[in-house]
Formats: sequence, structure tokens, C-alpha cells
Amino acid sequence: GAVVSQHPSWVICKSGTSVKIECRSLDFQATTMFWYRQFPKQSLMLMATSNEGSKATYEQGVEKDKFLINHASLTLSTLTVTSAHPEDSSFYICSAALIPGLAGAAPQIFGPGTRLTVT
Amino acid sequence: KNEVEQSPQNLTAQEGEFITINCSYSVGISALHWLQQHPGGGIVSLFMLSSGKKKHGRLIATINIQEKHSSLHITASHPRDSAVYICAVNTGNQFYFGTGTSLTVIP
Repeated sequence: GAVVSQHPSWVICKSGTSVKIECRSLDFQATTMFWYRQFPKQSLMLMATSNEGSKATYEQGVEKDKFLINHASLTLSTLTVTSAHPEDSSFYICSAALIPGLAGAAPQIFGPGTRLTVT
Repeated sequence: KNEVEQSPQNLTAQEGEFITINCSYSVGISALHWLQQHPGGGIVSLFMLSSGKKKHGRLIATINIQEKHSSLHITASHPRDSAVYICAVNTGNQFYFGTGTSLTVIP
């Protein structure tokens, strides 16, 4: 079946450094991927919509210069947290739309998540 | 006001019980998703609905578009069903998430 992987599964970094998180669709092509953030005891929050070959669409309040998204191929989207601060510590999750062109109206395959801790 | 409201927030059930989790939303949607999140954080998409009813094993999801309401039912609940269940709606260009229902099934 369709699977989405994320790498790394967890990462600890120092304040001020940048961290790149990868989201890959395995066995299917994903023209649209979504990036979410989840703080402890809270629900998911959509950060941005990543579209292959074009600029990502960011949700209100999400700094595009801080959370760089690149979707350079049909199977890979990356989220780079630049100049990370302790308040960026969170669980980052991606999902890929199973049907190209339907985005959020398509069944979603979720990645296992990446736990980021900024010290 | 949240665009997606779930109830209950927490639910404890005995193994074998029939469970219902409710989701109400206030926006026009193109699809509604039911997600399951286990303690480790991994999320599984259970259902995507735009109308009617879907069934997968012991899980049943229904949606009433006119009433803007969806329910997730678990029949013959089992301890491995213990997880957080999240309702999410997609409006075409926006995703809204409920705060989740934490389910604990006791043996």
C-alpha cells in the first residue's frame, strides 16, 4: 500500500541552527503534500501546502522565511526550520494526497512524524 | 469559535462496548477525514467522506452534509483501539482540525 516516510524521526538541535525534515511518498506520486505541526496535548495545525514544482502556500501566521518548503519532485517535499528556537520544538508531520489534483479532498497518507527538540 | 467541534474530549470504555465519537463543523466542506493517532504520534487516515456512510472492519463513519455532522462508530471495542481520534475537514483550500477525542478501552 501507499506509504509516506519522514526523516529523521527525531532530531535535537541547538538554538540558531537549521534543521531539514524530509517527507517522501513511496510507491505513489504526490503532487500535493501538507505539513503540520502538533504541540503536546494539542491537535494538528496545518502549516503549509506543498505543491510540486511551485511555491508552497503558507497558512496565516506561519513565517515562510523561517519554515522553508521545497517540493522539487513528485515524491519528495522538504521542510527546513531555519534559525531554530526552543519554541519551534514540536512534532512535525506531513501527509500526501493520494489522488493528484484533489489535494485535501483526496485520501491522505500521513508520515510517521518528526519530533524536533531545540535546546 | 472552532470550525470543527468534537465530542466527547475523553472517553473510557470497557472492552466490547459500542463507541460513538461526534464531529460538528461550521464550514462548507469538500471532504471530511477521520484520523487515528496512537501514543507514539503516528497518524493513520481511517476514512475520507463527502457523503453517506463508510465501513471498514469494526469502524463505521457517517456524515450528514445538511446537518454538518459526522460520527465515527467503533463496534466491539478493543484495547488496541485506544488512541486519539481526530476529525478534520477540508474546504478546498483549508484544513480545519478538531481537538481530538482521547479513547481508552479497558480490558
